[in-house]
Amino acid sequence: DTAVSQTPKYLVTQMGNDKSIKCEQNLGHDTMYWYKQDSKKFLKIMFSYNNKELIINETVPNRFSPKSPDKAHLNLHINSLELGDSAVYFCASSLYQNYGYTFGSGTRLTVV
Amino acid sequence: AQKITQTQPGMFVQEKEAVTLDCTYDTSDQSYGLFWYKQPSSGEMIFLIYQGSYDEQNATEGRYSLNFQKARKSANLVISASQLGDSAMYFCAMREARSGTYKYIFGTGTRLKVLA
Repeated sequence: DTAVSQTPKYLVTQMGNDKSIKCEQNLGHDTMYWYKQDSKKFLKIMFSYNNKELIINETVPNRFSPKSPDKAHLNLHINSLELGDSAVYFCASSLYQNYGYTFGSGTRLTVV
Repeated sequence: AQKITQTQPGMFVQEKEAVTLDCTYDTSDQSYGLFWYKQPSSGEMIFLIYQGSYDEQNATEGRYSLNFQKARKSANLVISASQLGDSAMYFCAMREARSGTYKYIFGTGTRLKVLA
């Protein structure tokens, strides 16, 4: 029944590794997002997809690569993880681009 | 320039009292949206309330109301009859349109603690 589900909820990994976070929504929404929340709780948009098409790509290192196989899924792959990548990553979706978000529960990534 | 400003990093309120969380915004758009989200200690983000720039009435959702003052560019959240479960981080956000897409900008948040 979960509207926006992210996996895993926690991810601890070593520097230099490659990892993926998966996101799925069952709300029939057209638009999906990835946000990063840093240690000071600041939320910043990273990417947005509308019907599988990338529409927002903020200034994010190219080690981060989103993939949207269909409009219900938006995955985030991170290469060569760095200590500064440690954060909570939120997936979100909205019915249209100008509607409010439904957030996933977040993935706490810790790079050691 | 900061688009969304929340000047109160932390606030306390006594249970059953009302509290106002401040939010000011900066935009040159005529059409925009303002949102408030709650983030409890468990970490999830919960949508609370929405105000459109053309809405004449202030938005209300249960105990939440949004005090929208367009000329002052402020969108303060008012929580009436505070409950212990209202203790959380609260984020103000603005939807702005850029190059045919919409983007949401979040403020830095206000941590609210409700005292018994």
